[in-house]
Amino acid sequence: RKEVEQDPGPFNVPEGATVAFNCTYSNSASQSFFWYRQDCRKEPKLLMSVYSSGNEDGRFTAQLNRASQYISLLIRDSKLSDSATYLCVVFSSNTGKLIFGQGTTLQVKP
Amino acid sequence: GAGVSQSPSNKVTEKGKDVELRCDPISGHTALYWYRQSLGQGLEFLIYFQGNSAPDKSGLPSDRFSAERTGGSVSTLTIQRTQQEDSAVYLCASSSDKLSGSGNTIYFGEGSWLTVV
Repeated sequence: RKEVEQDPGPFNVPEGATVAFNCTYSNSASQSFFWYRQDCRKEPKLLMSVYSSGNEDGRFTAQLNRASQYISLLIRDSKLSDSATYLCVVFSSNTGKLIFGQGTTLQVKP
Repeated sequence: GAGVSQSPSNKVTEKGKDVELRCDPISGHTALYWYRQSLGQGLEFLIYFQGNSAPDKSGLPSDRFSAERTGGSVSTLTIQRTQQEDSAVYLCASSSDKLSGSGNTIYFGEGSWLTVV
């Protein structure tokens, strides 16, 4: 089993749709969680950190469920510019490493 | 510099040759990571440096791969006797401290795109 698992998609949605991605992690000692966005042939860039209480940044909402060991990202009112691959990232202090999921590809259509 | 700087940005090399990839992290960042990403695939952890601690080399795929970090700043990833399966983008990232649940995160360079022919 991979340490961090995501549904690779692709998710094809119309503009204005709400879309949700989930990510599960296997290491219960994981401490920090992030969502990164990666555009085609570009480096990953931080989208948002994920906090236990959940957090929101504009149209983006991230949630963490430690008991079930999953993280979610909700995108409301999808824009064409949201088309990208979204990477779930987990940091575990017992390994000291950041582990990336395979990424979920989102394609927003006009 | 303002961000993580990597060089070369693109490298085409012949099978069997050695290559060196360089990473200059954000000034003051103590942690440095190397990842590899093959086309259409996720990020594969290679190696992690934190301050003066011994590096975590657990992700290096074979003994043809090595990395060093001189003076706690610039890092060089060396691939000896390159093979076609080494073709990928090699991404370097740095962070200001060891991640410890503080919410601190890492910042990536633009990558070195390696093609072995």
